[in-house]
Amino acid sequence: ILNVEQSPQSLHVQEGDSTNFTCSFPSSNFYALHWYRWETAKSPEALFVMTLNGDEKKKGRISATLNTKEGYSYLYIKGSQPEDSATYLCALNSGYSTLTFGKGTMLLVSP
Amino acid sequence: DAGITQSPRYKITETGRQVTLMCHQTWSHSYMFWYRQDLGHGLRLIYYSAAADITDKGEVPDGYVVSRSKTENFPLTLESATRSQTSVYFCASSTGYNSPLHFGNGTRLTVT
Repeated sequence: ILNVEQSPQSLHVQEGDSTNFTCSFPSSNFYALHWYRWETAKSPEALFVMTLNGDEKKKGRISATLNTKEGYSYLYIKGSQPEDSATYLCALNSGYSTLTFGKGTMLLVSP
Repeated sequence: DAGITQSPRYKITETGRQVTLMCHQTWSHSYMFWYRQDLGHGLRLIYYSAAADITDKGEVPDGYVVSRSKTENFPLTLESATRSQTSVYFCASSTGYNSPLHFGNGTRLTVT
């Protein structure tokens, strides 16, 4: 079983703050790294799929970077808004058909 | 509408009963997955399927059975439900391992 770690476990920021969280994974088992956004009472929605070392993806105010050699990915949110409140999941594909998910970072943005 | 749908949304059953959770997708995605979500564990893979008639175990398969006779359907059966199977179950589909997963809305199952 692969170990995909996310930190912090939870985060509480004020509207307008920029924030970031980390996903760590075994670098020897890398094939692709996924990020998902999961709002309460909904289902997870894909943000990014990253495959190359040094990859940087952006979607509006959210961006992600990837370092496969050291086994981590960062997710950044610029100017957080209350609607960004959600749990952010990362998941590792290690070359097979399946993903191993981290436990997520729960973000709360207060107005 | 195209998408992935799970049924039922909520289910309460008794210990020892057989329960089947349904999952249907309209995209003709090759891959389908069943995950369970429990506090403190995140999403854990139960079973997955790479195509019709091809299924394989995930991390926590014990007590569950799946089938995939048609590409669009991937039912999950609890043969004899136990309280430890109380959970929220998510079905997902994708076109391949470099493609994002598309999740259904989940089924909240309570075993009493």
